Amino acid sequence: QQPVQSPQAVILREGEDAVINCSSSKALYSVHWYRQKHGEAPVFLMILLKGGEQKGHEKISASFNEKKQQSSLYLTASQLSYSGTYFCGTESGRAAGNKLTFGGGTRVLVKP
Amino acid sequence: DAGVIQSPRHEVTEMGQEVTLRCKPISGHNSLFWYRQTMMRGLELLIYFNNNVPIDDSGMPEDRFSAKMPNASFSTLKIQPSEPRDSAVYFCASSQNDQGARGYTFGSGTRLTVV
Repeated sequence: QQPVQSPQAVILREGEDAVINCSSSKALYSVHWYRQKHGEAPVFLMILLKGGEQKGHEKISASFNEKKQQSSLYLTASQLSYSGTYFCGTESGRAAGNKLTFGGGTRVLVKP
Repeated sequence: DAGVIQSPRHEVTEMGQEVTLRCKPISGHNSLFWYRQTMMRGLELLIYFNNNVPIDDSGMPEDRFSAKMPNASFSTLKIQPSEPRDSAVYFCASSQNDQGARGYTFGSGTRLTVV
């Protein structure tokens, strides 16, 4: 079953912050985050393994609450280059062999 | 590294024709995934391989779709016969599947239009 992302879209001014959420109905082994710009392939941002860790990529960070089966992506002091569609991908277990199920995506537009 | 290489980048074909999409994964990656992306259904996993062996093809829409990975450096996704509803962007991705979870590297995709 597909993880649920919210919000579906967000518009920011340069320098503002935003949070994107990803929720799953299944127990999770890992959560991946990707960004896709229009007409391009998704690009890997970071991966979080169960254990509640938090990671960062530039001024983009993420957390993973294993018990709630949720992950959040934090865009801090957003830049124009952060515009794109963000996808979370969830892995339910190592037995699944690194197979990811992607959420529906969150469109982010950062304006000057 | 050249990354994941897909060909062709664009394909326009008539309904009923056979279509073959190709993918070369990153050298050393032992997992390969085929995804399809549409506005309506998002990113859907079609099939994936570990060490050239198909592991899960439950996402393959129907018998018209088939995929092979004859060696570690090449995979194909074939649609025969093609239908207009197959129109989508098809992505191939590869990953190193070992003890630690690793991110995917996606190819540039093949935009398929069936008319």
